[in-house]
Amino acid sequence: QQQVKQSPQSLIVQKGGISIINCAYENTAFDYFPWYQQFPGKGPALLIAIRPDVSEKKEGRFTISFNKSAKQFSLHIMDSQPGDSATYFCAASYQGAQKLVFGQGTRLTINP
Amino acid sequence: NAGVMQNPRHLVRRRGQEARLRCSPMKGHSHVYWYRQLPEEGLKFMVYLQKENIIDESGMPKERFSAEFPKEGPSILRIQQVVRGDSAAYFCASSPRPRVDSNQPQHFGDGTRLSIL
Repeated sequence: QQQVKQSPQSLIVQKGGISIINCAYENTAFDYFPWYQQFPGKGPALLIAIRPDVSEKKEGRFTISFNKSAKQFSLHIMDSQPGDSATYFCAASYQGAQKLVFGQGTRLTINP
Repeated sequence: NAGVMQNPRHLVRRRGQEARLRCSPMKGHSHVYWYRQLPEEGLKFMVYLQKENIIDESGMPKERFSAEFPKEGPSILRIQQVVRGDSAAYFCASSPRPRVDSNQPQHFGDGTRLSIL
């Protein structure tokens, strides 16, 4: 119930391509879905987040697509750049519980 | 504009010793969260504290682990009698209010890498 499942585990994309990372959840009480970016030796940093009352949110090259009925959400990185190479985590939380439940992470490599 | 400060960045302990990890939240933040990250895995929630209070410790092992956030000073995560399985990266996050959303997200420190010999 508390799990967030993330795929793929690793992803290699050519520069300029689209990177897509998927997450699925079970707990319908979740109402906040952030994506975090983590570089080696650093802590996670909030990238973009969405609430289930919208189906899509875009910030620059980053877009979250949300499918409430399927209990799935995904991160799209357009025009992927080598600087985007990092580990990406999806997460979820719900009102009344302040903790974030994280997915397992996706190691993204953008080849120049 | 100091972020969440964690120290030490790296900590090496022998089995049976104690490990003390410190976290100073961002200025104005009174809510602190500790997470553990095992190699090649996501972060797992351990404990959530407000000043002088433990609010949620549902992710913390019942034995050997404790956390505090005193009125003055940093939050401390203490691991007594460490074992090899405690080797991990421990991250602290802080927020200005308990409700987590885009307007008041959890800001993470760069973690403490704990290695047990």
